[in-house]
Amino acid sequence: ETGVTQTPRHLVMGMTNKKSLKCEQHLGHNAMYWYKQSAKKPLELMFVYNFKEQTENNSVPSRFSPECPNSSHLFLHLHTLQPEDSALYLCASSQDRGEQFFGPGTRLTVL
Amino acid sequence: EDQVTQSPEALRLQEGESSSLNCSYTVSGLRGLFWYRQDPGKGPEFLFTLYSAGEEKEKERLKATLTKKESFLHITAPKPEDSATYLCAVQAREAGGFKTIFGAGTRLFVKA
Repeated sequence: ETGVTQTPRHLVMGMTNKKSLKCEQHLGHNAMYWYKQSAKKPLELMFVYNFKEQTENNSVPSRFSPECPNSSHLFLHLHTLQPEDSALYLCASSQDRGEQFFGPGTRLTVL
Repeated sequence: EDQVTQSPEALRLQEGESSSLNCSYTVSGLRGLFWYRQDPGKGPEFLFTLYSAGEEKEKERLKATLTKKESFLHITAPKPEDSATYLCAVQAREAGGFKTIFGAGTRLFVKA
């Protein structure tokens, strides 16, 4: 595996479900990010981790819970989501907050 | 308020018809400006980083330039495979570190 990988690529869940998104970076970077991308809107930064420490949380609802066990892995735990949370969720990594390299994204649909 | 605006929202070109995409920004303490290409259903792909006014970067048919208020992505003799959404992002200094602000993107369509 190279670059940034994300699983699953597609996810359909009900509002009462609990699921997790996984991201892994193979670039040796020390920062990882979660973004939400909705149609015709700019990328919305959700969380930033530097050396496993969360450094940013941009007023994201508590139904989204990030976890960063080490500098290569990042999770986004989802519970009791709303239909408006349906979007493409992108993971990215960078070295020292430089240019970011993105994964392919998880297309999430909340029914 | 820090802001990044991309124009036009969409651009339709004939193959071989050169043009430019614009990214204007108002931020305090620019650290860097990034250009990305995004294909439908995929994550953004990094293209260029520009750090200071007057800087230029080139890659195949793409050339990025930077001034103190805006950046241009020039596309010379585009081909249909250049069709994608092009995203601009600005990294600005803030208390305690940096923040990255993305524009909404320009959707480019190149017709054969």
